[in-house]
Amino acid sequence: GQQLNQSPQSMFIQEGEDVSMNCTSSSIFNTWLWYKQDPGEGPVLLIALYKAGELTSNGRLTAQFGITRKDSFLNISASIPSDVGIYFCAGQPPPGTYKYIFGTGTRLKVLA
Amino acid sequence: DAGVTQSPTHLIKTRGQQVTLRCSPKSGHDTVSWYQQALGQGPQFIFQYYEEEERQRGNFPDRFSGHQFPNYSSELNVNALLLGDSALYLCASSLPGQLSGANVLTFGAGSRLTVL
Repeated sequence: GQQLNQSPQSMFIQEGEDVSMNCTSSSIFNTWLWYKQDPGEGPVLLIALYKAGELTSNGRLTAQFGITRKDSFLNISASIPSDVGIYFCAGQPPPGTYKYIFGTGTRLKVLA
Repeated sequence: DAGVTQSPTHLIKTRGQQVTLRCSPKSGHDTVSWYQQALGQGPQFIFQYYEEEERQRGNFPDRFSGHQFPNYSSELNVNALLLGDSALYLCASSLPGQLSGANVLTFGAGSRLTVL
């Protein structure tokens, strides 16, 4: 099935470092969502983006809706051990569809 | 306020059998979507139910079917199970379409299906 490209695929970082990850597509999207998934759990919503160029923060997390509408970025500042998990982006194509297309995921591991 | 609840949490079936998974949406939500998440992959859209009807379907065979009840809860049925159907099945609910944030998905913890 179709999946968005996420990078990096995985990363090890030191506690306190900032983290950046992105999600790209060849198609445009009207909505971008960012989720975090812990082992054995369902994805939990972090940030929702609705307009091209939009920059939204949620605590130490900041996400941006790319101006081309084909990409999105997530930054985590001052990482802590509980940031460990898999981060997924999800894009919803223009009106007429209700599905979301998910990315391949970025696995984050934080070294204390 | 209960979130999205799914049952069972884990189940094991053999090839050729049939399975039914259940989902209760978050309070106030009327739309239910089902996603399949294979190990190490992102979720893949199966279908969405709204007003007790299938509103959109992903690239899944007819062996995958669903139902939505008047109380907005939903079931996912998979017939003639294959080994490749082993996955985490996620239910997600969302707000009525006219409300702000209506297209944001709230996920349950999933049902882990293993097909032997």
